[in-house]
Amino acid sequence: EPEVTQTPSHQVTQMGQEVILRCVPISNHLYFYWYRQILGQKVEFLVSFYNNEISEKSEIFDDQFSVERPDGSNFTLKIRSTKLEDSAMYFCASSEAQGTLNTEAFFGQGTRLTVV
Amino acid sequence: AQSVSQHNHHVILSEAASLELGCNYSYGGTVNLFWYVQYPGQHLQLLLKYFSGDPLVKGIKGFEAEFIKSKFSFNLRKPSVQWSDTAEYFCAVNAPGGYNKLIFGAGTRLAVHP
Repeated sequence: EPEVTQTPSHQVTQMGQEVILRCVPISNHLYFYWYRQILGQKVEFLVSFYNNEISEKSEIFDDQFSVERPDGSNFTLKIRSTKLEDSAMYFCASSEAQGTLNTEAFFGQGTRLTVV
Repeated sequence: AQSVSQHNHHVILSEAASLELGCNYSYGGTVNLFWYVQYPGQHLQLLLKYFSGDPLVKGIKGFEAEFIKSKFSFNLRKPSVQWSDTAEYFCAVNAPGGYNKLIFGAGTRLAVHP
């Protein structure tokens, strides 16, 4: 069964460093997403990406964040200068079509980011 | 703004007990509704979904959920839980017109004791 894969599973970084979280969405999917879950809190939407551009982003997704699909298979989330409060589980997801077409998102296993 | 509320943060049950996890959402229009499960160390998996039609939907592993539009609810049920159902359960709403953006509840951590 096709699945969304994320690497690494766990990343520890020092405050102020840049991190790149990687995701390989399901191959025929067109819509890609990043969500995060701070420990003990709810899963929050960060950004959606379609046709090589951001289609929607939340207020969390500030200038420190960026996304890219560099090679047609990977979908990356970059945090330019990490802060302690960026520590969270980051989930990548992909879907075949958008919400009005009654489709669902498939999630990866997540990357646990720890900023020290 | 749309929101999703899950009433129980932690639920502890014995095997064979019945389960009902509450989920309410706030949005007046058409919504798509989902329950996801996250087993320890694993990714979010879709348990079941409601888009339209029969408001009682059946999912994997014996789970079902009922959409009650008048109550803005989508409660998850299972008549007899197993130890292997120990996981975190998330209710989510598809924000209409939002490129499939999901709005999640806070999650319910279920522990089933043998």
